[in-house]
Amino acid sequence: AQTVTQSQPEMSVQEAETVTLSCTYDTSESDYYLFWYKQPPSRQMILVIRQEAYKQQNATENRFSVNFQKAAKSFSLKISDSQLGDAAMYFCAYRSYIHGGATNKLIFGTGTLLAVQP
Amino acid sequence: DTGVSQDPRHKITKRGQNVTFRCDPISEHNRLYWYRQTLGQGPEFLTYFQNEAQLEKSRLLSDRFSAERPKGSFSTLEIQRTEQGDSAMYLCASSLDFGASNEKLFFGSGTQLSVL
Repeated sequence: AQTVTQSQPEMSVQEAETVTLSCTYDTSESDYYLFWYKQPPSRQMILVIRQEAYKQQNATENRFSVNFQKAAKSFSLKISDSQLGDAAMYFCAYRSYIHGGATNKLIFGTGTLLAVQP
Repeated sequence: DTGVSQDPRHKITKRGQNVTFRCDPISEHNRLYWYRQTLGQGPEFLTYFQNEAQLEKSRLLSDRFSAERPKGSFSTLEIQRTEQGDSAMYLCASSLDFGASNEKLFFGSGTQLSVL
C-alpha cells in the first residue's frame, strides 16, 4: 500500500521570504501523480500544484514549485515570495495512475501548518 | 457555478443517533467522492460514485455508513447509531471524468460532525 509522510507538523516563514515544505512517499508503482493541496481556515481543499511521475521536469505554478526526486521518493513544495494569504494547512497527496477510468482515490499525508509572519 | 456545496456545515449529535449529510457537486460533474478528516490527519477516502453508481467503498466505511447518489446528482452520507469515533469532518469532492489524467477534484468546505 502507498503511504505519504509529512515530517513537519508546523512551519513558519516571514512575508516575502521562501519556504520549503517536505513530503516523502512510499510506493512500488512506477506511474502515479503527486499533489500539494492547501486547506485554509475555510476548510475547502484547494489544489496548489500537481506532478506526473513520468515527467522529469519539476512542476511550477507562479510562486509555487516542486522538487520531485523520484528515486528518493521525495516531493517538496517551495513557496517563493510568501504572502499572508499563503497561511494554511498544506497536504501532500498521492494518486495511482488511472487506467480505464478507475478511481481517483487520493492518499494524503498528515499535513504541515504554515504560518506567515508579517 | 457555485462550487461544491455541503450541508450542514456543523452537526452536533448524541451518541446512538442517526445523521445525514448532503453534498451538491458542481452541476456537470459525474464523479463524486466522500472523504473523512479527523483532527491532525489528512483526509481519508470513504467512497466514490460515477454518476449514480457507487464504484468503490473503503473498509473505513462500516455497515453503519451508507451513501447514495440518486439520479447522479446530489449525494447523501448517512451514519446510523453514531459513535464518538465518528466525530470528524466529512468532505465531499466532485470532478468531471475525461477518462484521462487531467481530472481535477473540487472540494466542498465539509461537514464537521461532533458526537457527544
